[in-house]
Amino acid sequence: GENVEQHPSTLSVQEGDSAVIKCTYSDSASNYFPWYKQELGKGPQLIIDIRSNVGEKKDQRIAVTLNKTAKHFSLHITETQPEDSAVYFCAARWTQAGTALIFGKGTTLSVSS
Amino acid sequence: DAGVIQSPRHEVTEMGQEVTLRCKPISGHDYLFWYRQTMMRGLELLIYFNNNVPIDDSGMPEDRFSAKMPNASFSTLKIQPSEPRDSAVYFCASSLRPAGDTEAFFGQGTRLTVV
Repeated sequence: GENVEQHPSTLSVQEGDSAVIKCTYSDSASNYFPWYKQELGKGPQLIIDIRSNVGEKKDQRIAVTLNKTAKHFSLHITETQPEDSAVYFCAARWTQAGTALIFGKGTTLSVSS
Repeated sequence: DAGVIQSPRHEVTEMGQEVTLRCKPISGHDYLFWYRQTMMRGLELLIYFNNNVPIDDSGMPEDRFSAKMPNASFSTLKIQPSEPRDSAVYFCASSLRPAGDTEAFFGQGTRLTVV
């Protein structure tokens, strides 16, 4: 089945710095790659996604890049703020199941002011 | 809509007891997913339903776990008998269309502790 690897597991940055989280996936047929943010005591929430026909997508301070040849994708957060502190999950659509998302293990981002 | 509603929020039980977790998806969503979150393994897909029918349960750990969806507005995840290694946060999520076509919305989770 699909396997999604995510790095790093923890990331600490100063407010205003950039943060980058990287993921790799195994299923070459995967075509959808969302990123979820989980705040303490809450369920994950979608923040941005990208499809396989696009190499990059940006939404204000967050951006996602996709390299289908290398089977990896990354989340970029610029001008980080303390409220960006959370656990971030990447995911890939599992094509064999047809309609389920397989998640990475998560990255705990801490932004200090 | 109130979003995906899970109950209870916290559950503490003794090893060997039966545990039932409940989920109410967003009205009109045809897909429902159960995930388990642990530090070691992250978010694992356990099972998902389409129009109340289980489609893939290959992530269910073993026969002690079972899930049902008797109607479009309710699903349960049951563990019998429970074991300490089942301690985790269990999430239910729902989506209007297949994953990748629309967003999956998660509930707030049930934190299960088996002692």
